[in-house]
Amino acid sequence: KNEVEQSPQNLTAQEGEFITINCSYSVGISALHWLQQHPGGGIVSLFMLSSGKKKHGRLIATINIQEKHSSLHITASHPRDSAVYICAVSLMETSGSRLTFGEGTQLTVNP
Amino acid sequence: ETGVTQSPTHLIKTRGQQVTLRCSSQSGHNTVSWYQQALGQGPQFIFQYYREEENGRGNFPPRFSGLQFPNYSSELNVNALELDDSALYLCASSQTGPNEQFFGPGTRLTVL
Repeated sequence: KNEVEQSPQNLTAQEGEFITINCSYSVGISALHWLQQHPGGGIVSLFMLSSGKKKHGRLIATINIQEKHSSLHITASHPRDSAVYICAVSLMETSGSRLTFGEGTQLTVNP
Repeated sequence: ETGVTQSPTHLIKTRGQQVTLRCSSQSGHNTVSWYQQALGQGPQFIFQYYREEENGRGNFPPRFSGLQFPNYSSELNVNALELDDSALYLCASSQTGPNEQFFGPGTRLTVL
């Protein structure tokens, strides 16, 4: 079993829909990261959080430390949101610098 | 502020050859991590360097080695290339600790 599990693996939505991607982890963490990867490979950091909720534009990330679960929400989705979204954790046991990744969620938003 | 850069962008090698990939860290960052991402999978941690010393290693054989230089740029060296080494190699720079990591665009390595 992977230390970081994401669901769903693939998600197709219509423009304007509200999207949720889930992430569960089984290890002690010092932080959780949500990342976006476009075709061609470049990875962009969207959020880093260790408690509560963060919002940036149409993106919202939440984390429940007790349940070891995080969600990434996209409101009013748009075709330009199409990308792979990856959940990653900074492990507490490794002083936090290295990341352990989920497999990613491929999101496709159709116009 | 200059972002993280990697070179080359693409590389094709044959089995048994050696390769060196390069990464230039973001200004002010003292830690660099290298990751391997096979097609359709999440990245896997190779190793990390902090102040020119290896600071953690993932489940990769010794033929994967690295260096970090005084200006915090870094190299990933892979000897005796195997077909399974074909992947996207990403470096990420950060301050040490559980901080945001800034990724380079990656080097896509193909081993024939």
